Amino acid sequence: ETGVTQTPRHLVMGMTNKKSLKCEQHLGHNAMYWYKQSAKKPLELMFVYSLEERVENNSVPSRFSPECPNSSHLFLHLHTLQPEDSALYLCASSHAWDSTDTQYFGPGTRLTVL
Amino acid sequence: GQNIDQPTEMTATEGAIVQINCTYQTSGFNGLFWYQQHAGEAPTFLSYNVLDGLEEKGRFSSFLSRSKGYSYLLLKELQMKDSASYLCAVSLSYNTDKLIFGTGTRLQVFP
Repeated sequence: ETGVTQTPRHLVMGMTNKKSLKCEQHLGHNAMYWYKQSAKKPLELMFVYSLEERVENNSVPSRFSPECPNSSHLFLHLHTLQPEDSALYLCASSHAWDSTDTQYFGPGTRLTVL
Repeated sequence: GQNIDQPTEMTATEGAIVQINCTYQTSGFNGLFWYQQHAGEAPTFLSYNVLDGLEEKGRFSSFLSRSKGYSYLLLKELQMKDSASYLCAVSLSYNTDKLIFGTGTRLQVFP
């Protein structure tokens, strides 16, 4: 398997549920990212991890909790979400935490919060 | 603040040429990316411009003018498979090291 993979591809959850999104990259990269993509809005950066340390947190509500156990895996733990959190959540990776580095994206998880 | 503007939607005919514009006003600039995103799929890298001028890569070319805060993506010999969203993203350096994305331009190619 190559590139960046994400599971699940689709997720429907209630506001009281707890779920996790998983991302895995097979590119040997050192930086990983979570983005939120809502309809008619720009991609919004949520979190950045470089060498397993969080280096960026863009004022994301605490109901989103990232985890990076190693440089190949990234999780986004979700709890008590709101309907406005429904969106496509994209994971990306790059060689280094450098905005000039090309980022490689996963296919995303389509999240619907009821 | 950071601002990136792209047209929301464009249409074109198979075999034609289309130019997708992107203007930006940002605090800091390292370079500009173009990504392609088919519906329901991951954005994929198309080009990265740092210096002024035109860079050609097959049927796709990307242009940058740093003094004007302007870029465009030129698609030649359009094919049906080029129907997708095209995302413009600016690489920032001021206070933070990250990409700022535009809303994307949805291109529909008709036969």
